[in-house]
Amino acid sequence: QSALTQPPSASGSPGQSVTISCTGASSDIGGYNYVSWYQQHPGKAPKLMIYEVTKRPSGVPDRFSGSKSGNTASLTVSGLQAEDEADYYCSSYAGSNFWVFGGGTKLTVL
Amino acid sequence: EVQLVESGGGLVQPGGSLRLSCAGSGFTFSSYSMDWVRQAPGKGLEWVSYISGSSSTIYYADSVKGRFTISRDNAKNSLYLQMNSLRAEDTAVYYCARGDFWADYWGQGALVTVSS
Repeated sequence: QSALTQPPSASGSPGQSVTISCTGASSDIGGYNYVSWYQQHPGKAPKLMIYEVTKRPSGVPDRFSGSKSGNTASLTVSGLQAEDEADYYCSSYAGSNFWVFGGGTKLTVL
Repeated sequence: EVQLVESGGGLVQPGGSLRLSCAGSGFTFSSYSMDWVRQAPGKGLEWVSYISGSSSTIYYADSVKGRFTISRDNAKNSLYLQMNSLRAEDTAVYYCARGDFWADYWGQGALVTVSS
């Protein structure tokens, strides 16, 4: 069982927006502004999409955005495109447990 | 261009040992903390271990504490994971990743299979 809870699946049509939630605790998401999100296509390594809750690395489209409220973080993908279909993982710094991950959400573009 | 390349994966019997290596290039290796993250077949990501740039700070997940040892050689731009007393549940793709509170670069992964 993962430390952070994500829905197993999410979907949307091209051009639509979809939001993926990630629920933790005050010892991880709620206690630090070190939430990150990763995109993983089948057979590939994870790719950093969001760090420090809301920041995007260079090269990541601004269609991807992150937010946090209390112990829950969210990733929103706007203007869905076919290439956004992938698994998405949230992660948080967790003090003594260092890093914790969510179980992953499979995003399907209909 | 930042690159991380893992090596050393393979098939090992339960109770056996294996050493993974990760070669970094395209950045000042000694200036960055590094991590190992694994992914069991069909499963999610699991953080395994962390080492600071100077090796002064090291952390392990409870699931591998006492069995795995992380180390680095900054002169060789290399990160290592010595895995002892391997169990079937250690079967996974092992990724090396750069960063402390998040991982901005990942290697392509090395598959470790623990089976008799």
